[in-house]
Amino acid sequence: DSGVTQTPKHLITATGQRVTLRCSPRSGDLSVYWYQQSLDQGLQFLIQYYNGEERAKGNILERFSAQQFPDLHSELNLSSLELGDSALYFCASSPGTGQNSPLHFGNGTRLTVT
Amino acid sequence: TQLLEQSPQFLSIQEGENLTVYCNSSSVFSSLQWYRQEPGEGPVLLVTVVTGGEVKKLKRLTFQFGDARKDSSLHITAAQPGDTGLYLCAGDDNYGQNFVFGPGTRLSVLP
Repeated sequence: DSGVTQTPKHLITATGQRVTLRCSPRSGDLSVYWYQQSLDQGLQFLIQYYNGEERAKGNILERFSAQQFPDLHSELNLSSLELGDSALYFCASSPGTGQNSPLHFGNGTRLTVT
Repeated sequence: TQLLEQSPQFLSIQEGENLTVYCNSSSVFSSLQWYRQEPGEGPVLLVTVVTGGEVKKLKRLTFQFGDARKDSSLHITAAQPGDTGLYLCAGDDNYGQNFVFGPGTRLSVLP
């Protein structure tokens, strides 16, 4: 158990809809990262938050947004969903930033867009 | 964006064999991590290498970071079925602000 909790585990929704994925980091971790994993793209970095502030942005679509709350949990909002958004979405947390802050991943949310 | 390549993409071997998988980039990373991912689960950190030329051992797994910090290898001795999984390397290209993952090597160890 990594200590990172993601909900829900599975989500099935229709195109055009909006969903929210939730992540609770490990106790004491200040950084939260979001990744998208699909069969043909591998693990793609979306966005990172550190102590409530956006720290780095990757290949995140404009239809996607995220935030980290004062209690350090994070939410990833996906809107105007398309079939191609179907993927596993992982949250990871780390104590801080820097090369000695390894990532601890949750077990992901599997999103299916029909 | 820095890219990581991993080879081979797939590897199927018999229990007891040795194997090496590779992680390569044209860019320099401040550190590199190896993860193993099993179906239905998130990646789990195996090791972090920081110094060029560094070698780390974790039981039957040996990790090496290239001298120029652009590549890494993972060697498994006497592979076991429990080693089956997706092995991912991840490079830290901005001191923890962006971990770039390779596509992974999918290893299958047959009993």
